[in-house]
Amino acid sequence: EVQLVESGGGLVQPGGSLRLSCAASGFTFSSYWMHWVRQAPGKGLVWVSRINSDGSSTSDADSVKGRFTISRDNAKKTLYLQMNSLRAEDTAVYYCARDCGSSDWPGHFDLWGRGTLVTVSS
Amino acid sequence: DIVMTQSPDSLAVSLGERATINCKSSQSVLYTSNNKNYLAWYQQKPGQPPKLLIYWASTRESGVPDRFSGSGSGTDFTLTISSLQAEDVAVYYCQQYYSTPPNTFGQGTKLEIK
Repeated sequence: EVQLVESGGGLVQPGGSLRLSCAASGFTFSSYWMHWVRQAPGKGLVWVSRINSDGSSTSDADSVKGRFTISRDNAKKTLYLQMNSLRAEDTAVYYCARDCGSSDWPGHFDLWGRGTLVTVSS
Repeated sequence: DIVMTQSPDSLAVSLGERATINCKSSQSVLYTSNNKNYLAWYQQKPGQPPKLLIYWASTRESGVPDRFSGSGSGTDFTLTISSLQAEDVAVYYCQQYYSTPPNTFGQGTKLEIK
């Protein structure tokens, strides 16, 4: 079955760290760009980070730049998001999503995981 | 960054009636070299992740019912549900992928049954 499964969310104190994982199955993970998108409680979708297919290029939203790091292990078919210096405003469900664009021009997101909840609170 | 603005924020439509959601981008998402609009629509039902409905502004994703259609070009786009079904209750988001990063989403439109 083609799917993405996130894990690693939980409750963390402000200033703390967390690493999210996204396990891919049913498709050739190494061929796709991947993204993290988050959704604060009751709010809309916000793009967080992206990584190209071989992991050599990444981009981050300004709100997380310098604090979050996206990475991937193609051998393990897993996407990661290392989250440091967490703030209350980072509280959200974090989704990983597959990009079905080309290597030249990233596209829309055709496969999403079910998400993992990150709560930043003391 | 391209800003995506949807209207209305919420919408209540009777079963079997037409629902129309609008999305406006702060700059054109039409790539003239291939005449494609880099615009997608997603549906998010309560407690579920987003689901791709439409891409290239008007191409339905495989398995999406044909009552869903997308139209528009340049900066103005519309998602239309021709005959609303109970299972269509959801929040709908547009997204541009013309100029990234960031991949920007609209704020969402909540669709309910009247």
